[in-house]
Amino acid sequence: DGGITQSPKYLFRKEGQNVTLSCEQNLNHDAMYWYRQDPGQGLRLIYYSQIVNDFQKGDIAEGYSVSREKKESFPLTVTSAQKNPTAFYLCASSIRNEVPNTEAFFGQGTRLTVV
Amino acid sequence: DQQVKQNSPSLSVQEGRISILNCDYTNSMFDYFLWYKKYPAEGPTFLISISSIKDKNEDGRFTVFLNKSAKHLSLHIVPSQPGDSAVYFCASLLETYKYIFGTGTRLKVLA
Repeated sequence: DGGITQSPKYLFRKEGQNVTLSCEQNLNHDAMYWYRQDPGQGLRLIYYSQIVNDFQKGDIAEGYSVSREKKESFPLTVTSAQKNPTAFYLCASSIRNEVPNTEAFFGQGTRLTVV
Repeated sequence: DQQVKQNSPSLSVQEGRISILNCDYTNSMFDYFLWYKKYPAEGPTFLISISSIKDKNEDGRFTVFLNKSAKHLSLHIVPSQPGDSAVYFCASLLETYKYIFGTGTRLKVLA
């Protein structure tokens, strides 16, 4: 079955530690995204990548880093510089940037709690 | 600057009646709009979309209407079912790769 897999579903970390969230897709999609959901704030874009070895900052990139070494994978690192890391993180992908008007597909999310 | 706005945080509807969820946008460059449904602790799932060259798109119980002059779109669900209870996000696609989401409307369908 094709889809997007995020792991783990729940993650606990101590304040000051970096943590990496995994996102893998087998849909052969070119573009991948990371969003953050907080109560009452909808989905906010952290980073996105249109092709391998290239990525751009979204609206709230501070305190986060990503890599795109493989088409299938787009891991997100939440660094100690992120002031409010506790949130629900969503990874998404879409088929091709040159194909207009397509939907993004989402993973099941990772709930990160920093204590 | 929030470019996609969902001004109603919640909506309650009786089972079998129509649910109408609204969304406003500010950027006239938006030309593709999407609706997603989200259950707690899960990722959003795509419901229906509409291109700016249309003013209506229908898929089963779901219909999306687009009013470009008012920069407004709405999602109609009829008849509403208890399983439709979820948070609904309106989104727009900017520059072919950037999805901009609203803050969501929580729909509760009462049995």
